[in-house]
Amino acid sequence: DIQMTQSPSSLSASVGDRVTITCRASQSISNYLNWYQQKPGKAPKLLIYAASSLQSGVPSRFSGSGSGTDFTLTISSLQPEDFATYYCQQTYSTPFTFGPGTKVDI
Amino acid sequence: QVLLQESGPGLVKPSETLSLTCTVSGGSISSYSWSWIRQSPGKGLEWIGIFYYSGSTNYNPSLNSRVTMSVDTSKNQFSLKLTSVTASDTAVYYCARVRRGGKPYLAYYFDYWGQGTLVSVSS
Repeated sequence: DIQMTQSPSSLSASVGDRVTITCRASQSISNYLNWYQQKPGKAPKLLIYAASSLQSGVPSRFSGSGSGTDFTLTISSLQPEDFATYYCQQTYSTPFTFGPGTKVDI
Repeated sequence: QVLLQESGPGLVKPSETLSLTCTVSGGSISSYSWSWIRQSPGKGLEWIGIFYYSGSTNYNPSLNSRVTMSVDTSKNQFSLKLTSVTASDTAVYYCARVRRGGKPYLAYYFDYWGQGTLVSVSS
C-alpha cells in the first residue's frame, strides 16, 4: 500500500493568513493526488483533484501543486469558514489511501 | 444536484453482516463508478472499495475478502455488505461518486459524498 503522510498534523492561523499543508507519498504517484476538507460531523468535501485542478464551486483561494511524491495545498487568505481538517488522498493505485489529516484552527 | 443518502441499521451484532445502501438522486447510477469509505470515531478515512461503472470491483485487502459491493440500477442504489463484523468495524460509513479527470493524467477522485451513517458493532 502507498502510505500518505501530512505535515503539520495541526496548525493555528489567523484570518487572512496564507496556509500551506504538505502531503508526501511513500512512492511516486504522479499527479494522482486529491485534497478534501472535512468539518466536524460532515462528509469530506472535494477541493482539489489531480494535484492541481480546482473542483467546481471551490473558492479560488484554494490551490494545489506538486507531482511525484511531494504535494502542497495552499489557502491564500484564510477565511473563518476554512476551520476544518484537510486530507490528501492518492488514487494512483488501490487500495486508495488517505493521509492522516491536518487540522486547521482559526 | 446529485444527492447521495446512506441507509441501514445503526447497530450490528458481532459476527453478523453489516448491510448498507446508498440511494443516488439527481443522476444515473450506471454512468459512474462508486465507492464506500469509512471513518472510525475520531480517526482518519479508510477506503473500503470501488464498484466501477464497467461492473468490476476492487476492494481494500485489509478487509480480508469480507466485502461485497453491488449496484441496483433499477433503484439507482449502491450497496455494501461487510461480513463477520467486529467492534473495529464501528465507524461512520460514507458512499461517494467516483470520477476521473485532471492533467497530465486522469486521476480518480470522489466528487459527491453522502452525509454518512454511523454503524456501531456491539452485542
